[in-house]
Amino acid sequence: EPEVTQTPSHQVTQMGQEVILRCVPISNHLYFYWYRQILGQKVEFLVSFYNNEISEKSEIFDDQFSVERPDGSNFTLKIRSTKLEDSAMYFCASSAPGTQYFGPGTRLTVL
Amino acid sequence: KQEVTQIPAALSVPEGENLVLNCSFTDSAIYNLQWFRQDPGKGLTSLLLIQSSQREQTSGRLNASLDKSSGRSTLYIAASQPGDSATYLCAAPYGNNRLAFGKGNQVVVIP
Repeated sequence: EPEVTQTPSHQVTQMGQEVILRCVPISNHLYFYWYRQILGQKVEFLVSFYNNEISEKSEIFDDQFSVERPDGSNFTLKIRSTKLEDSAMYFCASSAPGTQYFGPGTRLTVL
Repeated sequence: KQEVTQIPAALSVPEGENLVLNCSFTDSAIYNLQWFRQDPGKGLTSLLLIQSSQREQTSGRLNASLDKSSGRSTLYIAASQPGDSATYLCAAPYGNNRLAFGKGNQVVVIP
């Protein structure tokens, strides 16, 4: 069964460093998303991407964040200068549209 | 903005009992609602997507109902098993397909 994959599973970085989180969505899906979950809190929407552009973003998704689909399979989230409060589990999701299917997540720890 | 609330936050049941998990949402102009399962430290597994035109959706021992007018959805799990122990998340869409999540129902099934 097709699934969303994410790499790395765990990333540790120093405050102020840039990180890139990678996702491979399900191959025939058209909509791509990033969400995050801070420990003990709700899953929060960050951004959605369709037709090679951002279709919607939340107030969390400020100028420090960017997304890219560099080729036909990968979808990346870049955080330019990480802060302590960026520590969270980051989930990628994709949909055909319809059901959103989530990846296993990348745990980002900012020290 | 869509606000999703799940009650109860946590529950423990003996194996074999039926589970009833409740979700309420504030914006009833939804076209579907999704239920997920999350195991500790893991990603989100989609369980059911129920369309706004449906009143119920079933998958095996799982049954989800949706009442848009009252802003409620209920997930029933029949004949619970220890393997059903997990957190169950309800998610309602708003905007351009972003999902708003509840905090979850944390379930423990006691053998």
